[in-house]
Amino acid sequence: GQQVMQIPQYQHVQEGEDFTTYCNSSTTLSNIQWYKQRPGGHPVFLIQLVKSGEVKKQKRLTFQFGEAKKNSSLHITATQTTDVGTYFCAGHSGAGSYQLTFGKGTKLSVIP
Amino acid sequence: SQTIHQWPATLVQPVGSPLSLECTVEGTSNPNLYWYRQAAGRGLQLLFYSVGIGQISSEVPQNLSASRPQDRQFILSSKKLLLSDSGFYLCACGPGTGTYEQYFGPGTRLTVT
Repeated sequence: GQQVMQIPQYQHVQEGEDFTTYCNSSTTLSNIQWYKQRPGGHPVFLIQLVKSGEVKKQKRLTFQFGEAKKNSSLHITATQTTDVGTYFCAGHSGAGSYQLTFGKGTKLSVIP
Repeated sequence: SQTIHQWPATLVQPVGSPLSLECTVEGTSNPNLYWYRQAAGRGLQLLFYSVGIGQISSEVPQNLSASRPQDRQFILSSKKLLLSDSGFYLCACGPGTGTYEQYFGPGTRLTVT
């Protein structure tokens, strides 16, 4: 079945440094989504990417969807302590599927 | 926008006891509903999903079951809990038509002792 790999598993950065997490799918995706889970909290939907090569920005966060629609990345510029949490990507395979395949997440720690 | 309610927030149950976790959704109709389990520090494991009343799809064979008695109610149950059932149980809903994002409830932290 479809697999979504996410790296790195953990990332520790100094406040102000940049951070990137990468997501790779074993199959072509219809769309990909990103979620953030704060420590002790639940996953919160951040964004959905649908088009090949799509780039979207949310303030300091930049999301990219690969040309082949099999990989994606999330880049945070100048991390802040409020960015702490686990970032998950989730792939959707296409029409007829009601499920998302989640990556195992990247846990970000920010050292003040 | 939709709101997902889950209770209780935390639960400690002995091995062999029954379980019933309830999830209700407000602000949307005919949602797709999902139950996930998250072990400590791990990813999300899809347990069940439902696209309509009385319709349940199971992703992982186990001693858990799910039911959807009403459009916006999703229940996770077990007759006899195992130690391995401990975890963070999350209910999620998705619109299911055209967009596929999911919105999660606050979750229930279950410890089986």
